[in-house]
Amino acid sequence: DAGVIQSPRHEVTEMGQEVTLRCKPISGHNSLFWYRQTMMRGLELLIYFNNNVPIDDSGMPEDRFSAKMPNASFSTLKIQPSEPRDSAVYFCASSAGTGTQDFGSGTRLTVV
Amino acid sequence: RKEVEQDPGPFNVPEGATVAFNCTYSNSASQSFFWYRQDCRKEPKLLMSVYSSGNEDGRFTAQLNRASQYISLLIRDSKLSDSATYLCVVDRSYNTDKLIFGTGTRLQVFP
Repeated sequence: DAGVIQSPRHEVTEMGQEVTLRCKPISGHNSLFWYRQTMMRGLELLIYFNNNVPIDDSGMPEDRFSAKMPNASFSTLKIQPSEPRDSAVYFCASSAGTGTQDFGSGTRLTVV
Repeated sequence: RKEVEQDPGPFNVPEGATVAFNCTYSNSASQSFFWYRQDCRKEPKLLMSVYSSGNEDGRFTAQLNRASQYISLLIRDSKLSDSATYLCVVDRSYNTDKLIFGTGTRLQVFP
């Protein structure tokens, strides 16, 4: 199994641009999670899906952030327009409902 | 107050030392508890689950005290390769997949 796959690994963009982060969960996992990690705030849950349906998006910071999961093998997190304070590492994780989660390698986003 | 609180460290210990990390959680409805390890610029990875009776995995021992809402991780005979950040993780409640991560305790093992 290839594990959770995220792309891109690194993204540098200018303020105001749209950013799209991508995630492919582990096959057979029915829950998918998007996290943001910064030095100041640690690992924060943004949104999670169960069977492709958004269950809890209370962690999404504001309307500039949106996430979709069109099928069981793909999810996107979009930021439009991006701002410098969005700079962070964004992790995607998936779970088979066992309580534990497997993380992707993350996308390191820098907004200048 | 954060839902999961940890001492950020860093803990600087020599090789061979025993080191213990503590963590407290605020939600008494939490049912599942874990320790994750995160290496610098890498993703978090599951180190071990924490069971009510306490459990051991090689040099690592995890304990849970539900009454005090307290979790601990003990590392014996520290290795250089144990240097990492250790994240205390708690679920939100029984019927959810959501996990709450502490901000982590950084361990640095020196020769």
